[in-house]
Amino acid sequence: KQEVTQIPAALSVPEGENLVLNCSFTDSAIYNLQWFRQDPGKGLTSLLLIQSSQREQTSGRLNASLDKSSGRSTLYIAASQPGDSATYLCAVRDGVKAAGNKLTFGGGTRVLVKP
Amino acid sequence: DTGVSQNPRHKITKRGQNVTFRCDPISEHNRLYWYRQTLGQGPEFLTYFQNEAQLEKSRLLSDRFSAERPKGSFSTLEIQRTEQGDSAMYLCASSSRTEINYGYTFGSGTRLTVV
Repeated sequence: KQEVTQIPAALSVPEGENLVLNCSFTDSAIYNLQWFRQDPGKGLTSLLLIQSSQREQTSGRLNASLDKSSGRSTLYIAASQPGDSATYLCAVRDGVKAAGNKLTFGGGTRVLVKP
Repeated sequence: DTGVSQNPRHKITKRGQNVTFRCDPISEHNRLYWYRQTLGQGPEFLTYFQNEAQLEKSRLLSDRFSAERPKGSFSTLEIQRTEQGDSAMYLCASSSRTEINYGYTFGSGTRLTVV
């Protein structure tokens, strides 16, 4: 059974500092990995999607890397801003057909960027 | 079509009452998913439809829960005889078999409070 872990559970940084968020998963046979942002009381906004054959994806100040063999992904947010304060969730979709199409989520990292 | 729409946004109900939530996916997406998220946790998979067929159900989906997608478009999730433990955010997501590389799109969720 796939298990996804995000460490740390919470992170507080001053504005301008780079953010590094970690995600690990137990079964490396994944189809893809997706990073989401969630504001308090809101739904999930997709940030980046990395296919299992890719090593990284970039969008603006965001960069996500994937090391499938070691079961790790890292989300980097450069030059953090107070507006980046949110919970960041990673989710994996398993590559085994029997696992279906569902995503398995980590518990999230709650980020606070202080002005 | 601006995304996945969920209604209502909030629902407060008394224990023992039945509630029904609605999800309208992105129109060209044939796959629809329901997830449940409790405070401070990542979303957990409940069930998945491909067109009108319900292909997978989590064991989290007790007999009091039922989901339908009668015409392969919108979906409803009904909870009968609600319990306080049902209080959570219920999230709907959709994806397309032909656009699978684009990942999942989530709605804003329905926040259920059982008093």
